[in-house]
Order: sequence, then C-alpha cells, then structure tokens
Amino acid sequence: QKEVEQDPGPLSVPEGAIVSLNCTYSNSAFQYFMWYRQYSRKGPELLMYTYSSGNKEDGRFTAQVDKSSKYISLFIRDSQPSDSATYLCAMGPYNQGGKLIFGQGTELSVKP
Amino acid sequence: DTEVTQTPKHLVMGMTNKKSLKCEQHMGHRAMYWYKQKAKKPPELMFVYSYEKLSINESVPSRFSPECPNSSLLNLHLHALQPEDSALYLCASSQDTGGYTFGSGTRLTVV
Repeated sequence: QKEVEQDPGPLSVPEGAIVSLNCTYSNSAFQYFMWYRQYSRKGPELLMYTYSSGNKEDGRFTAQVDKSSKYISLFIRDSQPSDSATYLCAMGPYNQGGKLIFGQGTELSVKP
Repeated sequence: DTEVTQTPKHLVMGMTNKKSLKCEQHMGHRAMYWYKQKAKKPPELMFVYSYEKLSINESVPSRFSPECPNSSLLNLHLHALQPEDSALYLCASSQDTGGYTFGSGTRLTVV
C-alpha cells in the first residue's frame, strides 16, 4: 500500500464547474499538507498549505483536511480553462528538512 | 523575492560528461531539496540539506553529488550519467512557517 493515494484521473469538467480532488494517506506522522498545481514541463506551484484539520480558503480554492479519517481534499470553484493542469497532493511529518511524500497527481482538464 | 531559481533550464549531456545544476533562493529558507521527476510521475526526493548540512540521502547513486556552498545556494554535480537519468530535476526550499517552494526545474537529457 502506498503511503499516499490519489486518483490519477484524468478528470474532465466544463468551465464553471466545482472540482473536487482527493487524497488518502496511511501515515499518522503526517502533519503538514500541501496542494500543488503543475503545468506541463514546469515545476510544481504551491497552491495551498495547511497543518490542521478543517478548511482553509484562498480565492477559488479550498483545502480540507480530516486527520481522523486521513483524508484531504482540494475544491476548485468556478473552474477555468487555465486551471487545466496536474494537481498533486503532498504531505510530510514536518515542514522543514523533512521528506515530502507526493500523491500520483490528478490530471484535470477544464473545457470551455 | 519568493522564488527558487534553477539554471540551466535545459541540459543535454553525454554519458562521459561532467555538468552541474544550480539552484538559488533568497527567502531565508534553511532547508533545501533536490527532487527528480519522470514524465507523468510525482517528484521523488533525492537529497535534503538542513542548515547547509546533508540530512537525507535517498540512496541516490554516487554519480549524483550534491553540494550546499551557503544557505542560498544548492548545486547538483553530475558525472557519468546514464540515459535513464534523463528527467526533470527540481530544487525546492522550505522553512517552518510555510510550504515547500519549487523551482521551474532543469530538464536533463542524457545521450
């Protein structure tokens, strides 16, 4: 069993849809959770970072963490064609100097 | 400055060459990382430097040699690479109050 599981998709939605991306994990030591967006042939771009259970909102993005269920989500509201990219969840036991474990990535396509 | 800068962006090298990848950040982050990413796969950790000391080496072959000259710079020295080492090499940095910031990467092709 992988430490972090993420549905690889691909996921295709119409413009304006709400997108839900999810990851599950098995390691209780994970305390820091991140979501990255990666465009083709580019480096990962940090979208959201959180270390506590609950919701964190930033513009059209909401990150949700449920440590009791070992489950994290990223919601994208009013999705745009420019959101088409691969989305990676990542997590680790501490934020500085630790090993960040990535999910497999979900490829998202937003159709105009 | 909230960026991690990597040079070069592209590199083609022969199996007998020696080359270096460079990474620079001016965010005051005290942890820096090298990751390797193959197409359609997530990044895989290679090395971690914490306060300029190597703290994690993920059993990377010795043909990859990291160096941290100071708190802002990270190098990855390459020697006698194999074609299967062709990948996107990513540098990242972090501190204890935020997520990991990645650079745009160096796309390496070994011929």
